[in-house]
Amino acid sequence: GESVGLHLPTLSVQEGDNSIINCAYSNSASDYFIWYKQESGKGPQFIIDIRSNMDKRQGQRVTVLLNKTVKHLSLQIAATQPGDSAVYFCADLRPDFQKLVFGTGTRLLVSP
Amino acid sequence: DGGITQSPKYLFRKEGQNVTLSCEQNLNHDAMYWYRQDPGQGLRLIYYSQIVNDFQKGDIAEGYSVSREKKESFPLTVTSAQKNPTAFYLCASSAQSGTGAFFGQGTRLTVV
Repeated sequence: GESVGLHLPTLSVQEGDNSIINCAYSNSASDYFIWYKQESGKGPQFIIDIRSNMDKRQGQRVTVLLNKTVKHLSLQIAATQPGDSAVYFCADLRPDFQKLVFGTGTRLLVSP
Repeated sequence: DGGITQSPKYLFRKEGQNVTLSCEQNLNHDAMYWYRQDPGQGLRLIYYSQIVNDFQKGDIAEGYSVSREKKESFPLTVTSAQKNPTAFYLCASSAQSGTGAFFGQGTRLTVV
């Protein structure tokens, strides 16, 4: 969905837990999706991406799931660590305008 | 930071002055983007450019201007018409094929 400057929701987990961060997108024509991690005072860092012809993709400790039917994207982080504490954003790339649109981010807080 | 350089990292401006933020990329990407981020909030699209000598307004273009004279460069000017310019500004680029959108480390602009 479009980022409209809303305050960020927060997910608090314990170290070692699995974390699931969710994102809804609005444009059914979007065919490429990216998850970013942003630490305080830094630019967003690319984590993992997925194309619309896939419903799951795995990286190192991260998995992205895509449900095109309900236009929903999730990021799963296994064995969450304190260093995973950050704000996480999803983004979708609109194929017609090549426009990268961000969803409302989620702040992940990991307690030791 | 994926080959995208933003400068300066911190910038102070007096009210009524225009200021230009630099963004350079050596990734040979066609598309470039400027986003604004306010504290504790998500990213809002200011301008984006798909090719040289072409750019489109994003969601919050008022008070900003851009140019795209070279593929590698996409400078953003914050004009005196921008009523609340204090924010964190982020530049990104992506290949025309829509893969691998990467961000710079941002410029924090403060109006004094």
